[in-house]
Amino acid sequence: GESVGLHLPTLSVQEGDNSIINCAYSNSASDYFIWYKQESGKGPQFIIDIRSNMDKRQGQRVTVLLNKTVKHLSLQIAATQPGDSAVYFCAENRGGAQKLVFGQGTRLTINP
Amino acid sequence: DAGVIQSPRHEVTEMGQEVTLRCKPISGHNSLFWYRQTMMRGLELLIYFNNNVPIDDSGMPEDRFSAKMPNASFSTLKIQPSEPRDSAVYFCASSLRALNTEAFFGQGTRLTVV
Repeated sequence: GESVGLHLPTLSVQEGDNSIINCAYSNSASDYFIWYKQESGKGPQFIIDIRSNMDKRQGQRVTVLLNKTVKHLSLQIAATQPGDSAVYFCAENRGGAQKLVFGQGTRLTINP
Repeated sequence: DAGVIQSPRHEVTEMGQEVTLRCKPISGHNSLFWYRQTMMRGLELLIYFNNNVPIDDSGMPEDRFSAKMPNASFSTLKIQPSEPRDSAVYFCASSLRALNTEAFFGQGTRLTVV
């Protein structure tokens, strides 16, 4: 469904550790997925994307995994840094139209 | 490139007043999106344009909201009359093409209707 949320899921990790942020999507017809990072007072910033014909894609310190069977997406951030503290959103493109639907977001806090 | 540019960054207005939010997409991008972000509902797509033509406005809350894109480098989102429940951060985003490509967001306009 559409993004709703009063309480944002939170994740706290120690600096230098790896973090995994999870996202469940709802539409099996979705064929394109994006992870965005949003820092306080700023707009969402693109991190990495993946198409439905892939199950894994790697970037610099980030990896996105896609499991279409259970409609699950995850973002792995390696060797976290203080600058990684932000809210992370997954977004799905509901196939056939450029209509990115965002998840509720996860707040990631990196502890020094 | 300066990215997507939105103005104003902050807007405080009284209930009943007209509010106009402005957006300049990234040059060369042919898709433009207006989103609204609130704590309760997260990021919601209001409307999007391809090649200056509105494609899907099903997210526009009601007739008080309207959006235009008179040319490839400018779009407006207007609320008339504004209500306190319209208070939110409004984001404009643009992308290079219609399908399966990332959208680049502006810094947003924080609207407060009192």
